[in-house]
Amino acid sequence: QVQLVQSGAEVKKPGSSVKVSCKASEDTFNNYAITWVRQAPGQGLEWMGGIIPMFGTPNYAQTFQGRVTITADESTSTVYMELSGLRSEDTAVYYCGRVGFGESRLFHYMDVWGKGTTVTVSS
Amino acid sequence: EIVLTQSPGTLSLSPGERATLSCRASQSVSSTHLAWYQQKPGQAPRLLIFGASSRATGIPDRFSGSGSGTDFTLTINRLEPEDFAVYYCQQYGNSPPYTFGQGTKLEIK
Repeated sequence: QVQLVQSGAEVKKPGSSVKVSCKASEDTFNNYAITWVRQAPGQGLEWMGGIIPMFGTPNYAQTFQGRVTITADESTSTVYMELSGLRSEDTAVYYCGRVGFGESRLFHYMDVWGKGTTVTVSS
Repeated sequence: EIVLTQSPGTLSLSPGERATLSCRASQSVSSTHLAWYQQKPGQAPRLLIFGASSRATGIPDRFSGSGSGTDFTLTINRLEPEDFAVYYCQQYGNSPPYTFGQGTKLEIK
């Protein structure tokens, strides 16, 4: 069974950064993209960005440009999402997901989801 | 950026009835690159439909998707108690961001 294993819940102060990990199988890491989506309490889903580990170049939603960094570590088949300049509005569950991709490296749908990582931003 | 608008916001139906959920895009979605997800409380979303009409692995055939261009529909026939959840559409395959609709909550009447 394909799984994405995310790191545990975090509590952060405003202005700080958080780094969430998503560990994949080697097959997933080498053949798919990994995307990050967040969900604020009681709200909908928001696409943040993603990376194709085999190529290494991430892309980000304009909303998060300059604050989010997505990286991939081949040695551990793990993708990381770091969000800086945290504010209370960043309190959310952060999901990673497996995504196929096509020509031009455009992303497809999320067919496997991690269980989510709760990030709470509070002073 | 493509904006997806889902309607209705909340749909109240009884088990055994048919649910029809709509997802409208602000511009044409290329090659029917439209997916539907189901999310239950406290759980991650689950892929139901991709390519506007193809069911994901293990999804019962009472779930069906249709549409193209800017108008898409998710239909759930003969609602089961476990179908009551929140449903999201997402467009993909174009340039990012790969936006989601705001969701439709399907609740028991």
